[in-house]
Amino acid sequence: RKEVEQDPGPFNVPEGATVAFNCTYSNSASQSFFWYRQDCRKEPKLLMSVYSSGNEDGRFTAQLNRASQYISLLIRDSKLSDSATYLCVVSPSGGYNKLIFGAGTRLAVHP
Amino acid sequence: DAEITQSPRHKITETGRQVTLACHQTWNHNNMFWYRQDLGHGLRLIHYSYGVHDTNKGEVSDGYSVSRSNTEDLPLTLESAASSQTSVYFCASSGPGLAGPEQYFGPGTRLTVT
Repeated sequence: RKEVEQDPGPFNVPEGATVAFNCTYSNSASQSFFWYRQDCRKEPKLLMSVYSSGNEDGRFTAQLNRASQYISLLIRDSKLSDSATYLCVVSPSGGYNKLIFGAGTRLAVHP
Repeated sequence: DAEITQSPRHKITETGRQVTLACHQTWNHNNMFWYRQDLGHGLRLIHYSYGVHDTNKGEVSDGYSVSRSNTEDLPLTLESAASSQTSVYFCASSGPGLAGPEQYFGPGTRLTVT
């Protein structure tokens, strides 16, 4: 079983739609959680950290469910520019600065 | 502005050759990482370093080595390049964030081994 699992997609949605991605992780002792965004053939970039109480950044909302070991990302009012691959990322307890990356979920927003 | 750079951006080499990929960061981060990214696998950790003269193996370290002689640089060496090492390589450095370590990535090196 992979340490971080994501649905690869693609999710094809029209502009203005709301879309949600889920991600599950296997290590119950994981400490920190993030969503990264990766555009085609570019480097991953931090989108947002995920706090235990959930957090929002503009159109993006991240939630953490430790009991069920999953993380979610909700994107409201999708824009064409949101088209990218979204990587779920977990920091395991044993190596504080190491990150474990999911393979990513691809989002395609169309007009 | 602080940044992380990689060179070369593209490299074609032959099987059996030694290849070194450079990574340079001006964030003054102690922690640096090398990943490879292949379709279907996502990012996989090759080696990492928590400071000068510190190096550690990641999950896919066979055939690769790193050295850390200063804070800014972590070069990745492929001792004898193999076709299975054709991939996109990303270097990253990390600093503390509010919710945990935040990694910043270089633009990547696309390596082809023929």
